[in-house]
Amino acid sequence: EVQLVQSGAEVKKPGESLKISCKGSGYTFHTSWIAWVRQMPGKGLELMGIIYPGDSATRYSPSFQGQVTISADKSITTAFLQWSSLQASDTAMYFCATPLPGTSGAFDVWGQGTMVTVSS
Amino acid sequence: DIQMTQSPSSLSASVGDRVTITCQASQDIRDFLNWYQQKPGKAPKLLIYVASNLQTGVPSRFTGSGSGTDFTLTISSLQPEDVGTYYCQQYDVSPPTFGPGTKVDIK
Repeated sequence: EVQLVQSGAEVKKPGESLKISCKGSGYTFHTSWIAWVRQMPGKGLELMGIIYPGDSATRYSPSFQGQVTISADKSITTAFLQWSSLQASDTAMYFCATPLPGTSGAFDVWGQGTMVTVSS
Repeated sequence: DIQMTQSPSSLSASVGDRVTITCQASQDIRDFLNWYQQKPGKAPKLLIYVASNLQTGVPSRFTGSGSGTDFTLTISSLQPEDVGTYYCQQYDVSPPTFGPGTKVDIK
């Protein structure tokens, strides 16, 4: 079974750093893109960026370029999303997702989500 | 990047009604358009990929159509379990982008 399992909920203070994870299993991790998607409370889905674990090629959406870092370690079949200095506006649910085989962007497998709360 | 718009932003319909949601891309995206359903507190679920292909396990009352810049998701007979928010998403140009969503509920 193809699965993405994300790390648990986080509560942080403004200015702190954070790295959350998304572990893939049941498929060839390094040959499938992984996307990170933000959903702020009560709002829609925003794709933050995508990474190809095979060569770590990364594409950021303009709104998130320079705000976060997406990485992957194919040796442990895990993708990461990190912040160097969190802000209250980073409070959101974050999902990772991977696409259907044969497509690069039809995301059929999703992680369970990681809730990040940033509050002083 | 490509901007996606959806209409309506919300709708309320009766069980058994035919429901149509439209999605428009800011430029030609060929048929690289997907539709998702999201229920509160859950991850999105892929319904339709490459504009008109029904994902495995999705009921046949869901159909997708369109190409280029204009796309449609139709629910032929709305069921109570179809309540949720529906998003279109393009992936012709990387990175992919989502539409703002259409919230569907039962009248």
